[in-house]
Amino acid sequence: NAGVTQTPKFQVLKTGQSMTLQCAQDMNHEYMSWYRQDPGMGLRLIHYSVGAGITDQGEVPNGYNVSRSTTEDFPLRLLSAAPSQTSVYFCASSPVPTMGEAFFGQGTRLTVV
Amino acid sequence: QQQVKQSPQSLIVQKGGIPIINCAYENTAFDYFPWYQQFPGKGPALLIAIRPDVSEKKEGRFTISFNKSAKQFSLHIMDSQPGDSATYFCAASDSWGKLQFGAGTQVVVTP
Repeated sequence: NAGVTQTPKFQVLKTGQSMTLQCAQDMNHEYMSWYRQDPGMGLRLIHYSVGAGITDQGEVPNGYNVSRSTTEDFPLRLLSAAPSQTSVYFCASSPVPTMGEAFFGQGTRLTVV
Repeated sequence: QQQVKQSPQSLIVQKGGIPIINCAYENTAFDYFPWYQQFPGKGPALLIAIRPDVSEKKEGRFTISFNKSAKQFSLHIMDSQPGDSATYFCAASDSWGKLQFGAGTQVVVTP
């Protein structure tokens, strides 16, 4: 059972570069989301999607774009990387209704220099 | 500002002790209150969740207590073991599944 798969696991970017973090789930979940985890701040919601073709902003969306063309995939794009985007990024998927349950990927550790 | 406040930031207990983690929230629209456990290098994993109309829920050695009037909830780990050493996050979920997380508590259980 793959669950939620994120690639890459580690990435170093230079300021101003762009990149896409990949996320795929094989549980046929409608709801998917992206979080960033920073020390002392827990996990903060960046963007989420309640189904293919539907996305919305979370708590910290600036500097990030998402799209959802299929149920399985939910990529996160960094448009112009900044050092403030150095973080660990987690993708999650949830059944609907969620009852508070989300299945998280292993994370992508991103460093912007 | 964080909608879910969690304390303490860290705690150390001896094997067999009962670490207690506390959380408070403001938004009464939340409809589920899950706890997540995270080991180093891994994603968070759901441990246990409670609805606001239930005052206590137990799953194995993990117990959630919920006080709706005070808008507070807590996690107790009974008979803690070294394998329970991890970071624990409380969270609050709305009906769409959007999660608001607390800042996390690093728990260390010494042998």
